Amino acid sequence: AQKITQTQPGMFVQEKEAVTLDCTYDTSDPSYGLFWYKQPSSGEMIFLIYQGSYDQQNATEGRYSLNFQKARKSANLVISASQLGDSAMYFCAMRVSHGNQFYFGTGTSLTVIP
Amino acid sequence: DAMVIQNPRYQVTQFGKPVTLSCSQTLNHNVMYWYQQKSSQAPKLLFHYYDKDFNNEADTPDNFQSRRPNTSFCFLDIRSPGLGDAAMYLCATSREGNSNQPQHFGDGTRLSIL
Repeated sequence: AQKITQTQPGMFVQEKEAVTLDCTYDTSDPSYGLFWYKQPSSGEMIFLIYQGSYDQQNATEGRYSLNFQKARKSANLVISASQLGDSAMYFCAMRVSHGNQFYFGTGTSLTVIP
Repeated sequence: DAMVIQNPRYQVTQFGKPVTLSCSQTLNHNVMYWYQQKSSQAPKLLFHYYDKDFNNEADTPDNFQSRRPNTSFCFLDIRSPGLGDAAMYLCATSREGNSNQPQHFGDGTRLSIL
């Protein structure tokens, strides 16, 4: 069975500081992908970043980077230089190679403080 | 731009009155998903289509039905909405099978029940 765990229901960060959102996962499938999505209060889900299980390097997309520690089964999202517009819910999700289903964590609500 | 479009953005219906939510995509993805999301919770998968193959989640109530007449369109029918069905409904698409393919979401339809 596949499982995603996000243990931080809510996080606060000062504007311009960096913040790490935690995500751990569990799967027996050797091939999988990990995804982070941002959901502002308006409701749309925005794809941020992807990490493949065989990727040797941590993924980066602008101010977003993924701290991928395969042995620990963790895929933490790092947001650098936080902006007020980063205030949102953030979901970690996983997809395994043989299926079309995505497994979501419970999400972390991030608030950026001016 | 290729995208996923959900209509309407906001839908109000009466208790017990059937309602249909629509989703269209220009991405030509063969997998389409419907999620229900309640406040501060993770999206909950209701069902998904792989081409014409319908995959219902075991705990999706019979009150929820779906149709996919062609690759581009997918509909969510709620036959007799109850107060507990008030939620955000998210449509998403993806390419099949490969774990490196993300989901692309529409902006969602927020359903209210009077």
